[in-house]
Amino acid sequence: KAGVTQTPRYLIKTRGQQVTLSCSPISGHRSVSWYQQTPGQGLQFLFEYFSETQRNKGNFPGRFSGRQFSNSRSEMNVSTLELGDSALYLCASSFRTSGSDTQYFGPGTRLTVL
Amino acid sequence: TQLLEQSPQFLSIQEGENLTVYCNSSSVFSSLQWYRQEPGEGPVLLVTVVTGGEVKKLKRLTFQFGDARKDSSLHITAAQPGDTGLYLCAGVRGGTSYGKLTFGQGTILTVHP
Repeated sequence: KAGVTQTPRYLIKTRGQQVTLSCSPISGHRSVSWYQQTPGQGLQFLFEYFSETQRNKGNFPGRFSGRQFSNSRSEMNVSTLELGDSALYLCASSFRTSGSDTQYFGPGTRLTVL
Repeated sequence: TQLLEQSPQFLSIQEGENLTVYCNSSSVFSSLQWYRQEPGEGPVLLVTVVTGGEVKKLKRLTFQFGDARKDSSLHITAAQPGDTGLYLCAGVRGGTSYGKLTFGQGTILTVHP
């Protein structure tokens, strides 16, 4: 069974640009969550999508947005990039049937903003 | 605001030593998870503890959930170089917050041969 895949793996952008990251969950999983990982702040929750609906949202500015498609694939978009947006962006998928559901993480997209 | 305080942040030990990583919070979680992350990869789930006072063992790793479900610990016996990595605790709240994990800052463990 294929794991969670994220594309691209590495991305370099300049300030002010926008970026779209993609996440393909494990087949059958309907929940996709996005996290930002930085050395200073650690892993922080961005948002979660379940059946194309945003279920939870973290404390990030409106420049960060996402969506989920009918096949459960998800994208996140960051507009007007800032230097501080440089981070590893991780997505995780799960069946989301209970609180102890396992979330399976992808390898992440390393975003560098110059 | 970091809701989960994880300590220590760095741990450098020799092969064969024992170690404990702590994860503390003032909030109650419905469950607590421990992950291990290696460079270039996403975190991989090691264990989920659900019941207050629960103890789970995974080979040389022992996980404990506090009675009040606010804290947890990870104990590694006779550490090996292969245990090197970033260890993360993550709290899960109930209700509609199932898909949202609150992570601790992480513990970078280095085991020297």
